[in-house]
Amino acid sequence: QLQLQESGPGLVKPSETLSLTCTVSGGSISSSSYYWGWIRQPPGKGLEWIGSIYYSGSTYYNPSLKSRVTISVDTSKNQFSLKLSSVTAADTAVYYCASLRWPTFDYWGQGTLVTVSS
Amino acid sequence: DIQMTQSPSSLSASVGDRVTITCRASQSISSYLNWYQQKPGKAPKLLIYAASSLQSGVPSRFSGSGSGTDFTLTISSLQPEDFATYYCQQSYSTQITFGQGTRLEIK
Repeated sequence: QLQLQESGPGLVKPSETLSLTCTVSGGSISSSSYYWGWIRQPPGKGLEWIGSIYYSGSTYYNPSLKSRVTISVDTSKNQFSLKLSSVTAADTAVYYCASLRWPTFDYWGQGTLVTVSS
Repeated sequence: DIQMTQSPSSLSASVGDRVTITCRASQSISSYLNWYQQKPGKAPKLLIYAASSLQSGVPSRFSGSGSGTDFTLTISSLQPEDFATYYCQQSYSTQITFGQGTRLEIK
C-alpha cells in the first residue's frame, strides 16, 4: 500500500516561494497506473486541487493558480514537488499530496500546514 | 471549469438516521464522481468512486448513486464515527474540482 509524506517549511514570507516535497513509499512513482497530485485546504475551508503530474512529467494545473505553480517529479528519489510563487496570506493552508489512480485520489499524505507570514 | 455544488452545506442528524447528501455538476460528468470523508485534523478518505463503487474497507452503510449531473451519497444508518465533513470530487475533466463540503453534525 502506498504511503505519502509531505515535507517542507511550515512558514513562508509573503512574496516568496513555497516549496514542498512529497516522498512516496510502498510503490514506484514511475508506475503507469498513477498520477500524483497536490491539494490544499485553508483553515476552516474546503479542498482545492492545485495540480497533478504523471511520471513522464505531463502536468495539469488549476487555472486559478497556474501562473504561480510548478509541479515536478524526481523518479530517482521517488518524490514529486510543489512550488508556489509570490505567496500571500491567502495561500496559508494545509497542503496534501495524494496518489491519483485516475480519476480517484486513493492515498493521501497526512498534510502539512504552511503559514504565510512575515 | 466544472463547478460542483453540494447540498446541504451542513446537516444535523441522530445516530441511526438515514442521511442523503447531494452533489450537482455544472455539466455532465458521466460517472466520474468520487466521495470523500474528512474528520478534523485528518486527510480525506475515499469512500465511493465512480459514483457508486464502494472503496475497499468502507462499511456497506455508505452508498452512492447518480450519473450525468446529479449524484447522491447515502448513509443508511448513521454511526457515531460518521460525523464528519463529506466532499464530492469530479475527474471527468483534467481540471479536477471538489464540492464545497457538507458538514454532518450530531443532533
